[in-house]
Amino acid sequence: EPEVTQTPSHQVTQMGQEVILRCVPISNHLYFYWYRQILGQKVEFLVSFYNNEISEKSEIFDDQFSVERPDGSNFTLKIRSTKLEDSAMYFCASSDGIQGTKHFGDGTRLSIL
Amino acid sequence: RKEVEQDPGPFNVPEGATVAFNCTYSNSASQSFFWYRQDCRKEPKLLMSVYSSGNEDGRFTAQLNRASQYISLLIRDSKLSDSATYLCVVNFPGSGNTGKLIFGQGTTLQVKP
Repeated sequence: EPEVTQTPSHQVTQMGQEVILRCVPISNHLYFYWYRQILGQKVEFLVSFYNNEISEKSEIFDDQFSVERPDGSNFTLKIRSTKLEDSAMYFCASSDGIQGTKHFGDGTRLSIL
Repeated sequence: RKEVEQDPGPFNVPEGATVAFNCTYSNSASQSFFWYRQDCRKEPKLLMSVYSSGNEDGRFTAQLNRASQYISLLIRDSKLSDSATYLCVVNFPGSGNTGKLIFGQGTTLQVKP
């Protein structure tokens, strides 16, 4: 069964450094998402992406965050200057339609020191 | 009022028990409803979609009451492997129906032998 893959599985970064989280969505999917989950808290929506542009973003997704689909397969989340409170699990998801089932990757654990 | 609200539990039940989880959501324009399962520090996985007519998948039954903005999940004959956190998830149309999902905080189930 096709799946969403994320790399790295764990990223440790010094506060203030830039970090790029990578995702390979399922190949025929058109809608892409990033979510995050701070330890012990609920899964939170960050951003949705369709047709090479952001379709919706949350209040969390401020100027420090950006997303990109640099080629036909990768979907990346960049955090420009990381803060301690960015420490969380980051999940990528994709679907073949707006109402389609969202398939989640197994996440990247981001630890900011 | 929280966008999606669940009793966090934990629910501690013996094997074979029947257990019910409830969830309420705030946005009456929501169109799609789901139960996801999340194992410790793993990605959310779709358990089942929830339809107005109610739907069943083996030991799992989901119900939706749009008038009360209430969703439920019933697990019959619970197994040790059902131990997990169950996430109530709602599609919020927002400003442009991007397929954004809003997650509840989850209800933790621990099934004991």
